[in-house]
Order: sequence, then C-alpha cells, then structure tokens
Amino acid sequence: EVQLLESGGGLVQTGGSLRLSCAASGFTFRSYAMSWVRQAPGKGLEWVSGVSGSGGSTLYADSVKGRFTISRDNSKNTLYLQTNSLRADDTAVYYCATEGLSSRPFEQWGQGTLVTVSS
Amino acid sequence: SYELTQPPSVSVSPGQTASITCSGDKLGDRYACWYQQKPGQSPVLVIFQDNKRPSGIPERFSGSNSGNTATLTISGTQTMDEADYYCQAWDSSTAVFGGGTKLTVL
Repeated sequence: EVQLLESGGGLVQTGGSLRLSCAASGFTFRSYAMSWVRQAPGKGLEWVSGVSGSGGSTLYADSVKGRFTISRDNSKNTLYLQTNSLRADDTAVYYCATEGLSSRPFEQWGQGTLVTVSS
Repeated sequence: SYELTQPPSVSVSPGQTASITCSGDKLGDRYACWYQQKPGQSPVLVIFQDNKRPSGIPERFSGSNSGNTATLTISGTQTMDEADYYCQAWDSSTAVFGGGTKLTVL
C-alpha cells in the first residue's frame, strides 16, 4: 500500500523558513517523479514544485521560484521542500503527491501538513 | 499563463447525471485529469488521460476532452459523490488546476 506522510509544517513568522518532508513507502520511490501541491484555507489546489525520480530535474511555480527548493533523498525514500522568505499568502496545507507516467497525473496524495505564516 | 475555468457549483439529484466542465485554450490538445476532494480529506484522482479511471474508481465516473473543454460525467450520482472536483492539465513544465467545482447532490 502506497503511503505518503508529510511533516514539518507549523507556525512561522513572515520571512521565516520551514523544511517540509514527505516520507514515502509501499512503492519504488526512485522510479517516480514527485510534486508538492498546496491548498490555502478554503481555496483551490495550486501546484508548487516537482522533481524527477533521480532528483536531477526540478520545476517550480512562478509564485515560489527563488524562495522554495525541492529535493529528494532516494536512499531514505523522502521528498523535501525547503521554504524560505515565507509570506502570508504561503499559508496553506502542503501535500506531496506521486506523478504517474505518461500523462503525469497526481496519482497518490499524502494527508498534508499545514504551514501558517503570521506576522 | 495557462488557465483552466470551472463553474463554481453544480447541483444534481440523486440518481441523475452530473456534468462538470473545465475550459482552457486548446485543452483538447493536452491530457486532462480530475480529482475529487471531500471536506477534510486529501484529493483523490478519479480520471486521468482524459477518460481513464484508476483502479477502485467506480464506473459511473467518466471523462471526455475535446476542443477547449474537458468534461467529467458522473452517471447515477450518489450522495457519496458530493465533493469538490478539480480539473488539471500540464502546460509545458507547469501543472495547472482549475478553480474547483462544488458538486451538491440533493
């Protein structure tokens, strides 16, 4: 059974940093591209960032480019999102998700971790 | 930037057919996916590659995509299908989600 368990969220001040983690199990982690998707309270889904299975290729939404860094450790089956220079509009539940092959749907999702940015 | 537009809400009676649309420029040239999200839960993939159902998704969920519009159809809608639904497509290196549609079954 595929399991994705996010952690690392919390309350942080404007301008602060957090490192989010996503521990994966139940599948061959290194074979799958992974993404972070966030959802602000009461709002819709927003893709944040993605990384290839090897970790060699990364993608970012314009809203986080230059502030967030995605990475993965395939030896630990763990995905990361380093979030810096946090702003109030970064407040959201952050989900990690596996990307399927071919058309790259987000097949499996974690339960999410809440990041709250407050001044 | 690429945009996907969904109606904010759709209502359907139990047992009837619900259709949720997703519009975007030449969306039919891309693959569309659909996700279901119930309150307090994570999203669940219900349709991928325009019209394919993942394992475990009921047959009453189907999809189509042509021209500028992708459509999620739920046949014989059940009360358990009441949820928010999001369409999604890739625009080169960026994943784009629609704004979401709240499906009410009453």
